[in-house]
Amino acid sequence: EPEVTQTPSHQVTQMGQEVILRCVPISNHLYFYWYRQILGQKVEFLVSFYNNEISEKSEIFDDQFSVERPDGSNFTLKIRSTKLEDSAMYFCASNGKFVETQYFGPGTRLLVL
Amino acid sequence: KNQVEQSPQSLIILEGKNCTLQCNYTVSPFSNLRWYKQDTGRGPVSLTIMTFSENTKSNGRYTATLDADTKQSSLHITASQLSDSASYICVVFPFNAGNNRKLIWGLGTSLAVNP
Repeated sequence: EPEVTQTPSHQVTQMGQEVILRCVPISNHLYFYWYRQILGQKVEFLVSFYNNEISEKSEIFDDQFSVERPDGSNFTLKIRSTKLEDSAMYFCASNGKFVETQYFGPGTRLLVL
Repeated sequence: KNQVEQSPQSLIILEGKNCTLQCNYTVSPFSNLRWYKQDTGRGPVSLTIMTFSENTKSNGRYTATLDADTKQSSLHITASQLSDSASYICVVFPFNAGNNRKLIWGLGTSLAVNP
């Protein structure tokens, strides 16, 4: 069964450093998402991406965040200058044009020190 | 304000027993309601998706119900197994035209199945 993959599984970084989280969505999907989940809290929507552009973003997704689909398979989330409060589990998800189910990757656990 | 509230916050049951998890939402109008299972440290996995016109949907030992009039949903787990230990999250998809996809997430019910 096809699945969404994410790398790395864990990332530790120093405050102020840039990190890039990588995702490979399911190959025939057209909609891509990033979510985050701070330990013990709800899953929070960050951004959705369709047709090579952001279709919606939350108030969390400020100027320090950016997303990119550099090629036909990868979907990346860049955090330019990490803050302590960026420590969370980051999930990538994707779905197809007419299928509402979003398929989630296993997540990247980001720890900012 | 669009919200999804779940109860109980946590639940402990014995293996083999049944349980029911509740979800109340204020999202209106909505396109569909989903139940996800999230194992610790893993991404959510979809269990069921129900449109506003559906009352019941089953996926193996999982049965979801939906009452769109009272804005309530439940997830019933039959003959629980140790592997059912996870967080169960109710998620509502508001009705939006176009390409926007923004789900309203509940906090989840943490279920522990003990032997």
